[in-house]
Amino acid sequence: DQQVKQNSPSLSVQEGRISILNCDYTNSMFDYFLWYKKYPAEGPTFLISISSIKDKNEDGRFTVFLNKSAKHLSLHIVPSQPGDSAVYFCAASAPRQGAQKLVFGQGTRLTINP
Amino acid sequence: EAQVTQNPRYLITVTGKKLTVTCSQNMNHEYMSWYRQDPGLGLRQIYYSMNVEVTDKGDVPEGYKVSRKEKRNFPLILESPSPNQTSLYFCASSPLTGTRTDTQYFGPGTRLTVL
Repeated sequence: DQQVKQNSPSLSVQEGRISILNCDYTNSMFDYFLWYKKYPAEGPTFLISISSIKDKNEDGRFTVFLNKSAKHLSLHIVPSQPGDSAVYFCAASAPRQGAQKLVFGQGTRLTINP
Repeated sequence: EAQVTQNPRYLITVTGKKLTVTCSQNMNHEYMSWYRQDPGLGLRQIYYSMNVEVTDKGDVPEGYKVSRKEKRNFPLILESPSPNQTSLYFCASSPLTGTRTDTQYFGPGTRLTVL
C-alpha cells in the first residue's frame, strides 16, 4: 500500500522552463512533507519542506505547494537548470511518528535538456 | 566535513553468506536509520535507532538485523542473504531536537547483489 505516490517516473524539461513534479498521498495524518533530491551514486539530500499549516513554501528557485483537500503536493523549479537533473523523492511524516519517520514516494527522474 | 559514510559501496555475494554493511556518522546525531531503494517502490525503512542500544523495526525488517553499540555507528547485518535482498541501501542520520524540521542526512549508498 503506497501511501505516498509519484505517478510520473520521469520528466523531461527544457533548460530555463518550469519543472513541475507531483506527489499524492493517501494518509490524512501526514502533516509534514519534504522533497529530497538524489544524484547518481550519491545519497538523497534534503531540498525543501512544508508543514500542513501552510500551502506554499519558497526557497530560491524551488517552491512547494500543498493542497490538503486534494492530498496533493507539487514542487516547482523555476527556471530549470542542467544541474537540476536528478531523481526527486517526495516524503511525508505524521505527528505521532515524529519527523524522522518518513514515508517516501517512488521518485521522479527529472532531466533538464539544454 | 559532516558526513555519513557507508562501506562497502558495492558488494556482490552469494545466498546464505553472512554480511555486514557499516554506517558511521560524525555529526553526533542520535537518530540513525537504514533504507532500501527498489525500482518503483522508492525508499523503504528497514530499521531505525533513536539512540545507543535503542533500535526498532521499520517497514521492511525481515531478514535484517542491526545494532547500536556506539552513537556514531549503526551496522546493518544480513545473517543469511537471499536474492530478494538485492537492492540499493542507504544509511541516514538525524538530530533529535524535537522539532519537525530535523533533516535526515543520507550516506552515499551500498549496492548489494545477492546471487
